[in-house]
Amino acid sequence: DTAVSQTPKYLVTQMGNDKSIKCEQNLGHDTMYWYKQDSKKFLKIMFSYNNKELIINETVPNRFSPKSPDKAHLNLHINSLELGDSAVYFCASSTGTGNTEAFFGQGTRLTVV
Amino acid sequence: LAKTTQPISMDSYEGQEVNITCSHNNIATNDYITWYQQFPSQGPRFIIQGYKTKVTNEVASLFIPADRKSSTLSLPRVSLSDTAVYYCLVGPGAAGNKLTFGGGTRVLVKP
Repeated sequence: DTAVSQTPKYLVTQMGNDKSIKCEQNLGHDTMYWYKQDSKKFLKIMFSYNNKELIINETVPNRFSPKSPDKAHLNLHINSLELGDSAVYFCASSTGTGNTEAFFGQGTRLTVV
Repeated sequence: LAKTTQPISMDSYEGQEVNITCSHNNIATNDYITWYQQFPSQGPRFIIQGYKTKVTNEVASLFIPADRKSSTLSLPRVSLSDTAVYYCLVGPGAAGNKLTFGGGTRVLVKP
């Protein structure tokens, strides 16, 4: 069983479109994250949710809107996609208490053309 | 959050021990030191975590000196499949904390 699963794995879309990436974890974790990894491999946190509540929003454009329908899911919706949004987006989850071990999904490679 | 500095890349050969040192001069009292491994086209994977002294698991060892301003990840007898990027992270072990990844160290294991 996949612990943290993201869909789709690849996403190619045109500038200006709106797209969503879905994430689900079956680990029973309370905290979920979205990370962005750019072409230089730097991995930067975008959002963090704890029990469906937003706790971290790291200077991300308003075009990015996370949604957590329940604590096992954290979806990422992106409006008006721009070329600079091209990257690999990783979802992760952790217990959020006492340690920083996080479990990552396989990533979604977004290409905006 | 504490900033980390680690070498950009390291080359090694199969069977050798690889040691990657990470500097974190402004580590806070409640910060843990965590290492992740990332293979191409995959998400990072937790390797090891420590607070002080030495921690060992089936994959690696983590050495942390008394001042905790640096740490060394030791990979014993590496194989080709250990070729990956290794990230050092420093952060509080509290609910809601975020993980801050630096640039990582690209380790290339050669035959």
